[in-house]
Amino acid sequence: NAGVTQTPKFQVLKTGQSMTLQCAQDMNHNSMYWYRQDPGMGLRLIYYSASEGTTDKGEVPNGYNVSRLNKREFSLRLESAAPSQTSVYFCASTEIGRNTDTQYFGPGTRLTVL
Amino acid sequence: DAKTTQPNSMESNEEEPVHLPCNHSTISGTDYIHWYRQLPSQGPEYVIHGLTSNVNNRMASLAIAEDRKSSTLILHRATLRDAAVYYCILRDYSGNQFYFGTGTSLTVIP
Repeated sequence: NAGVTQTPKFQVLKTGQSMTLQCAQDMNHNSMYWYRQDPGMGLRLIYYSASEGTTDKGEVPNGYNVSRLNKREFSLRLESAAPSQTSVYFCASTEIGRNTDTQYFGPGTRLTVL
Repeated sequence: DAKTTQPNSMESNEEEPVHLPCNHSTISGTDYIHWYRQLPSQGPEYVIHGLTSNVNNRMASLAIAEDRKSSTLILHRATLRDAAVYYCILRDYSGNQFYFGTGTSLTVIP
């Protein structure tokens, strides 16, 4: 199993450009998440998807959109990138349950907006 | 939203036990306490979680206060590979979200 994969690993954008971060998991998990991590900070939830076909806002959703394409894939889109969106973006997935509630994280995408 | 408070940093000597504290005074009855750690340049990884009772696994132990307003992650023998940022997180089952704090950066001294 590859677990959670993210593409690209690195990206540099100019202000106003758009891009989509891709995430896929092969563990048949229902729930998927997008977080951002600014330097020296903890992770903040951007959006999550509890199941295929549903998405909900997290703590910092402004400037982002998401698509739960199918059970495996959850993408994050920046329509008009801003320098404040320079961050490391992590995707995660989990199967919610009392005894199986573990989040698995991808390796991250390091995004710089100039 | 329930939140957690942790010391910014801690140090430990190699092969000694480490006790990482966490305060979560606004925890609700349905919140599980989770611990994750993040090695440099990697995504977080699961360490342990619990609700009311103390928990043990191959990586660590979790001690939860009787009033559940605080918890302690215990690494029984710190190794250099345990140097990481440790996050204490409340898992809100009703809202399906995980709330990360800023974590504790653990330095292990050889």
